[in-house]
This record gives sequence, C-alpha cells and structure tokens, in this order.
Amino acid sequence: EVQLVESGGGLVKPGGSLRLSCAASGFTFSSYSMNWVRQAPGKGLEWVSSISSSSSYIYYADSVKGRFTISRDNAKNSLYLQMNSLRAEDTAVYYCARGDTVTSFFDYWGQGTLVTVSS
Amino acid sequence: DIQMTQSPSTLSASVGDRVTITCRASQSISSWLAWYQQKPGKAPKLLIYKASSLESGVPSRFSGSGSGTEFTLTISSLQPDDFATYYCQQYNSYSSFGPGTKVDIK
Repeated sequence: EVQLVESGGGLVKPGGSLRLSCAASGFTFSSYSMNWVRQAPGKGLEWVSSISSSSSYIYYADSVKGRFTISRDNAKNSLYLQMNSLRAEDTAVYYCARGDTVTSFFDYWGQGTLVTVSS
Repeated sequence: DIQMTQSPSTLSASVGDRVTITCRASQSISSWLAWYQQKPGKAPKLLIYKASSLESGVPSRFSGSGSGTEFTLTISSLQPDDFATYYCQQYNSYSSFGPGTKVDIK
C-alpha cells in the first residue's frame, strides 16, 4: 500500500524557516517524481514544487522561488521542503504527492501538515 | 504561466442528477489535464487523468472529456458520496490548479 506521511509543520514567525519531510513507503520511491502542493485555510490547491526521480529536474512556483528548496533522499525514501523567509501568506496545509513524471498528475497524496506563519 | 478557470464555482444538485463541471485553460494544454475530488479535512483524490482516463477504482459514473483549452467532468448520476469540491489541474507546463467547484446538496 502506497503511503506518504508528512511531518515538520508548526507555528513559525514571519521571516523564519521550517523544514518539511515526507516519508514514503509501499512503492519504489526512486522511480517516481515527487511534489509539494499547498492549501491555505478555506482556499484552493496551489502547486508549490516538483522534483524528478533522480533530482535532475526541479521546478518551483513563482510564489516560492528563491525561498523554498525541494530535495529528496532516495536511500531514505524521503522528500523534503526547506522553507525560508516565511510569510503570512505561506500559511497552509502542505501535501506531498507522487507523480508519474516531473510534470504529471498526482496519484497519491499524504494527509498534509499544517504550517502557520504568525507573530 | 497557464491559468485555469472552472465554472460554476458552486453547484447545487440532488442525488441522481447529471452534473457537469467545466474547466478552461488560458492556452492549449493538449490533453494534459486531471480532475480531483476533495472532501473537507482530507487530501485530494485523483479521479481522471489525461483528460478522459479513469483512475483505477474510481466509479464509472465519473467521466472526463475535452482537449486543447476546454474540458468537462461529468458525474452521470450524483451519489451521496459525491458531494465535495472538484479541482482540475493542468500538467502541460509545470502544474496549476483551477479554483475549484463545490458540489452541494440542493
């Protein structure tokens, strides 16, 4: 059974940093692209970032470019999102999601982790 | 960047109704479009990919069509479990989602 479990969310002050993790199991992690998608409270889905299976291709939404860094460790079956210079508008539930290729639909999603940016 | 729009934003319907949701892209995305269902407090669930391919395990009352810039998601006979919010996603160029369509009880 495919499982994606996010962790690392919490309350952080504006300008602060946070690192999210996503632990994957039930599939060959190194064969799939991975993604982060966020959802602000009461709002719609927003794609954040994608990384190819071997980390050769990495893409970011304009709203996070230069502040967020996506990475993965295939030996640990883990995906990460390093978030720096956080703003109030980054407050959201962050989901990790599996993709077929680096630009793809997302067939499995984690349960999400809440990031709140507030003073 | 490719912008996605959906209509309507809210749809009130009854069990057994045929429901159609429209998604439009700001430029051609060929058939690189997916549809998701999301219920409150839950992660989105993939329903349709490549505009018209039904994800494994998804009931056949869901169908998708379209190509280029205009797409539709149809629920042939609305069931109680289908009251939710539906999102389209383009993956022709990076990724972006539509604003969502909430299907609620009439």
